[in-house]
Formats: sequence, C-alpha cells, structure tokens
Amino acid sequence: QSALTQPASVSGSPGQSITISCTGTSSDVGGFDRVSWYQQHPGKAPKLMIYDVINRPSGVSNRFSGSKSGNTASLTISGLQAEDEADYYCSSYRRSSTYVFGTGTKVTVL
Amino acid sequence: QVQLVQSGTELRKPGASVKVSCKASGYTLTGYYMHWVRQAPGQGLEWMGVIYPNGIDRSYAQKFRGRISVTRDTSTSTVYMELGSLKSEDTAVYFCARELPESCHFDYWGQGTLVTVSS
Repeated sequence: QSALTQPASVSGSPGQSITISCTGTSSDVGGFDRVSWYQQHPGKAPKLMIYDVINRPSGVSNRFSGSKSGNTASLTISGLQAEDEADYYCSSYRRSSTYVFGTGTKVTVL
Repeated sequence: QVQLVQSGTELRKPGASVKVSCKASGYTLTGYYMHWVRQAPGQGLEWMGVIYPNGIDRSYAQKFRGRISVTRDTSTSTVYMELGSLKSEDTAVYFCARELPESCHFDYWGQGTLVTVSS
C-alpha cells in the first residue's frame, strides 16, 4: 500500500501563492472525491484544512483552496504568510474501506 | 467542545505489545468512526486502522493485519489501539482521529502518544 506522492518541499515569499500536488491512482485520488488536506506544525497534531477536494472547514482561511484533476489533487495557498510554514499532508479514501496519506510536503516561507 | 485525550508515553522492548488509549469527550462516541494514524520520527503520517460507530466492524491497513486490534469501551468513551510483536520500526507517535460517518476525513485529533521500542 504505497503512499500518495507529494513534493518534499515547496517554498514561497510572503504574499505569493504556492501549490502542492498529491498524486495517486484510480483506486484512491482518481476514483473518489474524498481527498483531504492536513497542516501539521512541529510537535503538534495535524489540522484539517480541506475536505472532499474543495471544501474548507469552518475557521480555515479562504487563502487555502483545493482542486483535483484525474489522479492528482492540489492544495493552493494564496497570500502566503509566515504562519503557513508547516508540513502538509494529503489523504484519500482508498478501495476496501482503507485510507492513505501522502508523503508530506514541507512549506517554507522565505 | 470535542476533545480526544490520549494516554502517555510508552517504552516497550522488541516483541512486546502496547495498548494506547484515546478518551473522547464533547460528543457521542457511538456516532463516529475512530481512526489510528502513526508518525515515525521525521517521517510522514501512516493510516493504521479504524473502528466503526457500531463498535463491531473494523478495517485495518494490510501492513498491520494480524498484530493490531482496535477496541472500544462506551462506558468510559475510550477507544484503544493495541499493537503486538513490536519492532524498533514501530517507534512512532500514535494519533487517534475522529471521522463523521461517511465523511472520509478526520476533523479532530488526539495530541499523540509516543511509543518507543528499544531493547
């Protein structure tokens, strides 16, 4: 059960936009609109940022947005801020009632 | 408010087992799925398994089948994850995470429990 593929790191300057990709297969990302994204600061539990590909939970900034095309989902952070510096993980429902996470992306604000 | 409070740090020898608890408050345990996710030092998140709202059905990642068991005690609103035949590679922080039925995402997480496997 291999993990979803994410870039190891993405960086941007304050105010810029960055996009993190999450590539899976037709058995997970491509087969279901059940991709979620999590932000994790060092030593903390993950925090839900996006669910069902495009939806933001209450309280999450509208600078965070999600999308999907085929087997690849994406998270875009616009108007990058220092507080956005963290690790980000995608997750997808996978066939047979299981789940899979992405490899994780470290976002650095320059 | 919803809270998931996990048990404390554990140290085990190779071959032993560990049981981590996750006490839920602020909602009805029987109305939600509870998942377990782990994170080895410096590594990514790894989904391990889930117990369904009925407390009977479970699903486990193939990697852990045969040595993982997720159980629930509704009288104390606590979910347990037991992992056996521990190896050094099982050293990780273990998280519980809640899922609203059929939502397929994890909206609340426990604070994590560090399990260290070392001789």
